[in-house]
Amino acid sequence: ETGVTQTPRHLVMGMTNKKSLKCEQHLGHNAMYWYKQSAKKPLELMFVYNFKEQTENNSVPSRFSPECPNSSHLFLHLHTLQPEDSALYLCASSQGREGPGGYTFGSGTRLTVV
Amino acid sequence: KQEVTQIPAALSVPEGENLVLNCSFTDSAIYNLQWFRQDPGKGLTSLLLIQSSQREQTSGRLNASLDKSSGRSTLYIAASQPGDSATYLCAVDLASGTYKYIFGTGTRLKVLA
Repeated sequence: ETGVTQTPRHLVMGMTNKKSLKCEQHLGHNAMYWYKQSAKKPLELMFVYNFKEQTENNSVPSRFSPECPNSSHLFLHLHTLQPEDSALYLCASSQGREGPGGYTFGSGTRLTVV
Repeated sequence: KQEVTQIPAALSVPEGENLVLNCSFTDSAIYNLQWFRQDPGKGLTSLLLIQSSQREQTSGRLNASLDKSSGRSTLYIAASQPGDSATYLCAVDLASGTYKYIFGTGTRLKVLA
C-alpha cells in the first residue's frame, strides 16, 4: 500500500452517467493532485489543492468537477463524459513547499467511457 | 514554459547490463526532480528525489544525478534484472509558483532474461 488509496480501480460508464472517483491519503500531506494519463502522452496535470484550496485548474473541461473536503480526501466528479476522456486517472499527494517535496501516487482509476 | 524530455523513448537490454536513462528540462530554475517507475496499467512508484541543491541520490542499484545548469538528470541502473522492466518517468518542479510537477514522456525499459 502506497499511502494514497484510489477507488474504484476500474470504472466503465456511459456518456450520460454521473460517477465519482475517490482519493484518500493518511500521510499528513497538505497538497493533493489529479493527473490524467492517456496512451502515449505525458501525464497531464488537472487540478491542484493546497490546504483544501484549489490552486490550479489546468483548463480542464467543466464535465470534470473536483472536490476537496479536507486535506486527506479528494474527489473527482464526472458527468456527461466523452469517449476521449477514457484514461488512467492518478491521484497524488505531497507536503508541497512545506517540506522536501516529492509526490506519492495512488494506483489510479482506469476509466472507460462507452 | 518548462518542457521535460526523456531519451531514449524505449530501450531493450540483456539482463546484467548497466544502463543510463536521460532526462532533460528547459528551465534550470527547479525546486527538485523526482524519478518514478510505472508498471503497465499501474500507478507511479517513487524511486529517487533530488533536491535542487543536491548533485545525486542513490538507492540500491539506482543512482540519479542532477546537473541543473545544463538542465539534465540521469538515472543509472546497475546490473539490470528482468524485474526492472517498466516505464521510467522523471518529473521536475519549477522553483516558483504553485508546487506541481511537469512530467516527461518516459522511457520504456525491457530487460531480457
